[in-house]
Amino acid sequence: QVQLQESGPGLVKPSETLSLTCTVSGGSIRGLSYYWGWIRQPPGKGLELVGTIFHSGSTYYNPSLRSRVSISVDTSKNQVSLKLASVTAADTAMYYCARVEGRHDVFDVWGQGAKVTVSS
Amino acid sequence: EIVMTQSPATLSVSPGERATLSCRASQSVSSNLAWYQQKPGQAPRLLIYGASSRATGVPARFSGSGSGTEFTLTISSLQSEDFAVYYCQQYNKWYSFGQGTKLEIK
Repeated sequence: QVQLQESGPGLVKPSETLSLTCTVSGGSIRGLSYYWGWIRQPPGKGLELVGTIFHSGSTYYNPSLRSRVSISVDTSKNQVSLKLASVTAADTAMYYCARVEGRHDVFDVWGQGAKVTVSS
Repeated sequence: EIVMTQSPATLSVSPGERATLSCRASQSVSSNLAWYQQKPGQAPRLLIYGASSRATGVPARFSGSGSGTEFTLTISSLQSEDFAVYYCQQYNKWYSFGQGTKLEIK
């Protein structure tokens, strides 16, 4: 059974870079039937896709974040990483890592989430 | 960008009754529509994909319908564990989520 676990600093200063890692266990990150995504949820608000990445390294980013976001995979560690540069208070959110089921492009397995607060 | 609009924002229903949640897309998404359930303090859980197919382990009381721009999630007989926030998501063009419907106990 695949499990996802997000990790990273819970507090980031304004203008700095948010960095999170998602460790995948119980399955290979290279599986051809799946790819990976990051979704965020500001406090008390709805869900927003940050971006997705295929095992090949091909990425797709939310246009509103494209200039600041980078997602990568480390197949040797079975990890997916997220970097978001020049953060502001508006980036304060719970950040979820999720597996995307390739046939239907739906998020079928989610991590528990990593709460990130942007504050000085 | 495809905008997903859910209604109502909050739905109050008694246990054992039927709940009907709506989701509308700003343009056709065919049947590329999913529903997720989120309980407080938890990650979302996939319920429905392809507008009407239940995900693994989802009880039969959950059903989805619709195509194009109008979709419905029906919970036939509400159990205590079903009170949560429900999100629709289109994956026809990129991905976008609705703002959610909170299903609360009446």
